[in-house]
Amino acid sequence: EAQVTQNPRYLITVTGKKLTVTCSQNMNHEYMSWYRQDPGLGLRQIYYSMNVEVTDKGDVPEGYKVSRKEKRNFPLILESPSPNQTSLYFCASSFGDRGTDTQYFGPGTRLTVL
Amino acid sequence: GQQVMQIPQYQHVQEGEDFTTYCNSSTTLSNIQWYKQRPGGHPVFLIQLVKSGEVKKQKRLTFQFGEAKKNSSLHITATQTTDVGTYFCAGTDKLIFGTGTRLQVFP
Repeated sequence: EAQVTQNPRYLITVTGKKLTVTCSQNMNHEYMSWYRQDPGLGLRQIYYSMNVEVTDKGDVPEGYKVSRKEKRNFPLILESPSPNQTSLYFCASSFGDRGTDTQYFGPGTRLTVL
Repeated sequence: GQQVMQIPQYQHVQEGEDFTTYCNSSTTLSNIQWYKQRPGGHPVFLIQLVKSGEVKKQKRLTFQFGEAKKNSSLHITATQTTDVGTYFCAGTDKLIFGTGTRLQVFP
């Protein structure tokens, strides 16, 4: 089944404790991205990747890191999480390398930073 | 920078009533996409509009792209409880998502 998977689905952590949210897609998509969703603000792009080893900042990259060592995986890293990073996070992928095709979203990761 | 606003933010309707959400961009868009997110779920692609003035229909849903390619609308005729969710538009130039419209349908 074609899908985007994220882990974990739920995470409660404390300020400053490094964490990684994994994202994997099995559709051989070129473009992958991370979004955070907050009430009233919609979906805001954190980082995106047009191909392996090519990543770039989205609208709200501060406090986040990403890597794209393999085509299928695009982990999101929070080196020192803070409470303002409490949010619902979505990974997405699309076929073309410019992100203009249909975005396929993962199920989401709900992160709480205490 | 580019901004995409949606109105209204929330809409409560009685089942059977019509519903419309509007998407307005501060800049001209190449294409626009619409997504639906059910409560507790993830956004799911509905449609993409490409041409100025384009109108597309999916059963009870009608999507329109403005002549200037700076605005778009989604109209649902005779809403059903299955239409509940948040509807997002997205400009594909920089994948800027709108703020979303949350639709609640009362039976």
